[in-house]
Parts: sequence; structure tokens; C-alpha cells
Amino acid sequence: GQNIDQPTEMTATEGAIVQINCTYQTSGFNGLFWYQQHAGEAPTFLSYNVLDGLEEKGRFSSFLSRSKGYSYLLLKELQMKDSASYLCAVPLTGANNLFFGTGTRLTVIP
Amino acid sequence: DSGVTQTPKHLITATGQRVTLRCSPRSGDLSVYWYQQSLDQGLQFLIQYYNGEERAKGNILERFSAQQFPDLHSELNLSSLELGDSALYFCASSQQGGKAEAFFGQGTRLTVV
Repeated sequence: GQNIDQPTEMTATEGAIVQINCTYQTSGFNGLFWYQQHAGEAPTFLSYNVLDGLEEKGRFSSFLSRSKGYSYLLLKELQMKDSASYLCAVPLTGANNLFFGTGTRLTVIP
Repeated sequence: DSGVTQTPKHLITATGQRVTLRCSPRSGDLSVYWYQQSLDQGLQFLIQYYNGEERAKGNILERFSAQQFPDLHSELNLSSLELGDSALYFCASSQQGGKAEAFFGQGTRLTVV
């Protein structure tokens, strides 16, 4: 089966850097996704990691360690609009149906 | 705009009733996924269709069913509704290819009273 653990809530200051951690257990690894979801809105894709290491995409980076069952999302130069939930997810099967963690609610304060 | 269209945006109905939620995937996407998001559960995968065929099933109740039509739009049918079925229901679509990014619609907020 699958299991994902993420912190429930985090608070960070505008302009700062924040790291959101995710640990996972899955039977058969098929990559790890990060999605952003603003309250009441649709989740939007941020990143997909299948190999170990850091992938950078603008202000957002995602890291994966398959041996440790661990990933993190790094957000730099935080902006107020980054206040949202960040969802870690792994595929349930070889297809794209995803098992989501409960998400980390990030609040950015001035 | 993700290109995935869901209707209606909001739905209020009584316990015991039946409703149908509709989803039009992005142009060219053959896979459609349904998810349920309630306050205490997070996003839960319900069911996936690919090109009209059921591909995978998650935690979908027997009272719920879905189908994908030849034009690739999909419908999720919820029957004998209970208060606990109140949630946001999202549809997502992706291209064929297991690791393709999924695009989510804006969701249907169902309230059962």
C-alpha cells in the first residue's frame, strides 16, 4: 500500500525560503509528484521526480531520495501568492492515478 | 485555465437523491480521473477511464459509478446520497503515458443536506 507523511501546516515570511518535506512508502516506485492547491481551487502541477537529486524550476525546486523514501519541495523568494496547500503524491499503479498526502498548508506572512 | 471543464460548479441536494457530475477533458487527453476531496480526508482517487474503458478503481463506493463516452467526456453518478458525500469532486485528465502531468478541472462542490 501507500502512505505519505507531510507536516500539516507551515508559516514563513515573504522573501524567505521554505522547505516542505514529504516521506512516503509505496509498493513499487513510479515517481513522486508535487501539486499546489489554493483553497477551493484545483490542484496545479508543480513537479515530477523519478530519479534521485534536485530539479529546479524557477523559484521552486524538488528533491528526491528513493533510498530514504523522502522528498522535499523548496520555495525561494516567497511571495504572498504562495500561500496555499502543497500536496505530495505518488502513483497508485503504473498509470497516473495518484495517492495524495493530506497536504501542507503554507501561510506566507509579510 | 487547465482546459478541463466540470459542470455544475455547485450542487445542493437532499439525502437519498442521485446526481450526475460532468467532465470534459482537455482536447486530446484520453485518460480521465475522478477524485473526491473532503475536509478530513484530502484528495482521494475514485476511478480512472482511458478511451472509454475503466482502467483503475480506487476508493469508490458502490453507490457511485462513472462512465466515459465516445467523445471522451465523463460522468460521475452519485446515488443514495448521504451527508458524508458532501465534498469537492475533481476531474482530471492526462495524455496516455503513465507519468504524464494531470490537469485538474475546477471541481464540483456537492453539498448534501
